[in-house]
This record gives sequence, structure tokens and C-alpha cells, in this order.
Amino acid sequence: SAVISQKPSRDICQRGTSLTIQCQVDSQVTMMFWYRQQPGQSLTLIATANQGSEATYESGFVIDKFPISRPNLTFSTLTVSNMSPEDSSIYLCSVEGLGGGAAKETQYFGPGTRLLVL
Amino acid sequence: QKEVEQNSGPLSVPEGAIASLNCTYSDRVSQSFFWYRQYSGKSPELIMSIYSNGDKEDGRFTAQLNKASQYVSLLIRDSQPSDSATYLCAVNPLSGTYKYIFGTGTRLKVLA
Repeated sequence: SAVISQKPSRDICQRGTSLTIQCQVDSQVTMMFWYRQQPGQSLTLIATANQGSEATYESGFVIDKFPISRPNLTFSTLTVSNMSPEDSSIYLCSVEGLGGGAAKETQYFGPGTRLLVL
Repeated sequence: QKEVEQNSGPLSVPEGAIASLNCTYSDRVSQSFFWYRQYSGKSPELIMSIYSNGDKEDGRFTAQLNKASQYVSLLIRDSQPSDSATYLCAVNPLSGTYKYIFGTGTRLKVLA
């Protein structure tokens, strides 16, 4: 599986500010995904980010609030804009399973970014 | 509304016992099923995937899929305290995509 890193690993932010989370993969992947996991909850897909095209957002998530960049096949960023305490969550990027025996349609997750908004 | 249901637990089992984790899903046409383990404060880690009816074994883990009854389960044999974690069931209802639907997870406690 790919090695995935995220920065920052955690942050405490003031309401009204924005935070950009970076996701770096050690190999080229076509599909990258951004999830949110709120305290005590399961994972919710925010958007799918493919290189060379606009991100595809899930219902309830909009580009103005969660702009995403995907400049190349190994990197993506998610920005959480104009933050409120309700945005306190773990933000996870994931990538599609690669070859070498990876099961089809599998996803592998980065270590996550823990965000607390005061 | 497509749903994936799991008992939140905690499910407590003694060390060495078999832990049985269950998951039901609502979308009958779902094709791909995954189990992830998530330790507290960590990100989900893929344990197993299963696509066909029946059992699939990998070490101490066995995934079972019954599409007619719309459930998938995970058995952990010889449970160890290090297996204590939350286990997330994920269903991909549409083949060829990555649009997982996650359950809320079952918290497993293995008692030494």
C-alpha cells in the first residue's frame, strides 16, 4: 500500500479563520479522497479529488467552504474556510488501492488531521 | 438513503475467544465490502475486503458475506488485547467507484 502523510497532524484554530491541510502520497495515484470524522461518528466523504479536474463534492459539502486542490498525482490540499466550532473534527485523506495485489476499489487512509476550532 | 448498520458496542470478549462483528447494509446491489480497524486517535487501517458470498480468511481474521441477507461479518479468532479497537464496516454500493458508505463502527474490547 502507499505511504500517505498529512500535515498538520493537529491544530487549534480560532473561529472565522481558515486552515489548509496537506496530503502527500509516495506514489502516483489517480484518485484521492477527503473525509471528515466528527467526534464519536463514522467517516463522511467530503469530496473526491482527481488530478486535472475539479473536485467532486458530496451532498452537504460545498467548494466555498472546503476548497480542494490537486496539482499533481501525489499531492492534494483541503482548506476548511471560515471555521466554526462545528468544524472541529478529524480530517482524513485517502487514496485508491494501487497495484501489486491491492484489492480492487480499496482505499488507504492517511494519519489524519485533528482540528479543534475555538 | 443507503445505510450501513453496526452495533456500536462495546463488545467485550476474553482473550483467546472468537470476536464476532456484524454489519448490515440496505442497498441490495452493493458489490464491495471492507473492514477497517481504527485504534483510538488513529486513522482507519484496512483489514479485509470481500466481494463474493461465503468466507474469506486471512490469518486470524475471517470475513463472511451473505448478499441475500445483506450482511457481512468479521470473525477474529484467538482475540488479543491488541485487537481492542473500533471496527468499521464499509460498503461500496456501486462497482467501479470508490463511494464508500461507512457504518458507525463497533468498539471491541478484548479482556486480558
